[in-house]
Amino acid sequence: TQLLEQSPQFLSIQEGENLTVYCNSSSVFSSLQWYRQEPGEGPVLLVTVVTGGEVKKLKRLTFQFGDARKDSSLHITAAQPGDTGLYLCAGAINKLSFGAGTTVTVRA
Amino acid sequence: DAGVTQSPTHLIKTRGQQVTLRCSPKSGHDTVSWYQQALGQGPQFIFQYYEEEERQRGNFPDRFSGHQFPNYSSELNVNALLLGDSALYLCASSLGPGGPGTGELFFGEGSRLTVL
Repeated sequence: TQLLEQSPQFLSIQEGENLTVYCNSSSVFSSLQWYRQEPGEGPVLLVTVVTGGEVKKLKRLTFQFGDARKDSSLHITAAQPGDTGLYLCAGAINKLSFGAGTTVTVRA
Repeated sequence: DAGVTQSPTHLIKTRGQQVTLRCSPKSGHDTVSWYQQALGQGPQFIFQYYEEEERQRGNFPDRFSGHQFPNYSSELNVNALLLGDSALYLCASSLGPGGPGTGELFFGEGSRLTVL
């Protein structure tokens, strides 16, 4: 059983479209991180959110941490082919636990 | 500034064999964590090493063991390999064990193990 559930599992969109991926849990986390992993590489940290309700922006990426610190979302505006990858959320309780990830494909 | 390096990048073993994977942390980092990533899944925490001791452990059997050396590099050993051990094994380094998620984890590219 996954501590963190990510949805959707796969997402394929056209360049220029927007997308949102979700990370949900019944557990409360002290912090939550989002990573992106490209084929043949390890995950790379995008952001860490620690405060309930927190919103962080990284260029075209917007991350939100739920008020109750149980869920998070990642929104990408005007997606580009370079955004293609596996997006992983990871929540911290006594160790860092990862969700199964959302595979995003942005078609040119 | 060297990032996290892992070796070997790929290897094939047969059931029952033993394997050793190696990791050198990012320069300046003293903590190494190991993760197993099966195909289509997120990374699963195996254990973390700091000051040459195992500090935390995930839900993995005793067949999985590790070691950290004085230069902070680390090894992951898996004995009596099973088909289900086939996965990408990721090493991540950080500065200090701290609380999970409080610091940035830098991942290597992984070692892909195939068990036949």
